[in-house]
Amino acid sequence: GAGVSQTPSNKVTEKGKYVELRCDPISGHTALYWYRQSLGQGPEFLIYFQGTGAADDSGLPNDRFFAVRPEGSVSTLKIQRTERGDSAVYLCASSPTGGGAVEQFFGPGTRLTVL
Amino acid sequence: AQSVTQPDIHITVSEGASLELRCNYSYGATPYLFWYVQSPGQGLQLLLKYFSGDTLVQGIKGFEAEFKRSQSSFNLRKPSVHWSDAAEYFCAVGASNDYKLSFGAGTTVTVRA
Repeated sequence: GAGVSQTPSNKVTEKGKYVELRCDPISGHTALYWYRQSLGQGPEFLIYFQGTGAADDSGLPNDRFFAVRPEGSVSTLKIQRTERGDSAVYLCASSPTGGGAVEQFFGPGTRLTVL
Repeated sequence: AQSVTQPDIHITVSEGASLELRCNYSYGATPYLFWYVQSPGQGLQLLLKYFSGDTLVQGIKGFEAEFKRSQSSFNLRKPSVHWSDAAEYFCAVGASNDYKLSFGAGTTVTVRA
């Protein structure tokens, strides 16, 4: 079956612009996660959705970052007034349910470059 | 909060040789442990996981890992590497009461002919 997909695969933008990154999870997965992977680092947690609600957004670095999942499936990560430090690969993952003993299935990521 | 250390940033190994990647975690209770592999342009793929039970875990692509509570370690091994094993490997820890994974910084594996 289809895995997690993310669009676009690459996004180049200028400092100060607004960007949206999209994630299509595996069909039927209720849990969805966003992670950010900076160069030379492992992924860092940003936000977790269970269904339509953000159960934990403690990893979002500041209020320029926001994510939605209005119908409990597709999610969009939104970044306002982008800064060069936002450049990273943004990974989306989904799992059948939430919880720690569940495999998270990752998408290929969106590489964001802020010039 | 849990954390993961992967002491080796880069490892070079000859094709056919054995491979061991180190992972040390910090967590107060019994952790859930994972090894993921990331090839260029690809998403993270799960190699294996440990939740409980037998401390020697078998995974895909001929990989195995051993959970050692006394050493807070979960090292990944493969007896004979193939050129296709060249990739970046991440160890991650989760918890029963948490859903976010904490990842190490990763180990890049280069396979030479």
